[in-house]
Amino acid sequence: SYELTQAPSVSVSPGQTARITCSGDALAKQNVYWYQQKPGQAPVMVMYQDTERPSGIPERFSGSSSGTVVTLTISGVQAEDEADYYCQSVDTSGTFYVFGTGTRVTV
Amino acid sequence: EVRLLDSGGGLVQPGGSLRLSCGASGFAITSYAMAWVRQAPGKGLEWVSTISGSGTKTYYGDSVKGRFTMSRDYSGNTVYLQMDSLRAEDAALYYCAKLASVPIFGVLIPSYFDYWGQGTRVTVSS
Repeated sequence: SYELTQAPSVSVSPGQTARITCSGDALAKQNVYWYQQKPGQAPVMVMYQDTERPSGIPERFSGSSSGTVVTLTISGVQAEDEADYYCQSVDTSGTFYVFGTGTRVTV
Repeated sequence: EVRLLDSGGGLVQPGGSLRLSCGASGFAITSYAMAWVRQAPGKGLEWVSTISGSGTKTYYGDSVKGRFTMSRDYSGNTVYLQMDSLRAEDAALYYCAKLASVPIFGVLIPSYFDYWGQGTRVTVSS
């Protein structure tokens, strides 16, 4: 098994840029997926395969990857972006899934 | 439209058993891997188990291995999670999720959770 580490919280003013990082030794070889979870709701994926944005997700969400660190960036943060964000990866055989520790974004 | 309806949660004593169900609509579970993910109160997401699209392979997180069993019913398009020997630390909101596959080294691997149920609450207490 392995771990994915995220900062517990990020605070940002409306219109600013929020950067949420996910680090783990395995990330140099594995894709990362990002989920947004608002209180009382199920998670929703906002980024897949490190940098791909699903349809319906605003363009202000973007992803990047460098070595063992993957970053979710929210440019021009809006109040509705306040939520918990989790990264997730899977081993190359698809037998073990891991979530990051989660980052609470406060706007 | 893809929908997942989780059910079966409730209050159970430590050491007891519970079976969760997840009814799927809008797609056939025979074509996709399915999973259970849980979230303890105030905590993060934890992967619990996965069943392959063929139904022949199941995988479990270390914390539930040997106690939980995931299965599926093709006729009802439903997946289940049988939870035995429950512990206080198993208390959580349990989500059923559909897995989407991506090619890894030329092989399609179920990689991310593209649809989620609304969750069903499990409480373990005497």
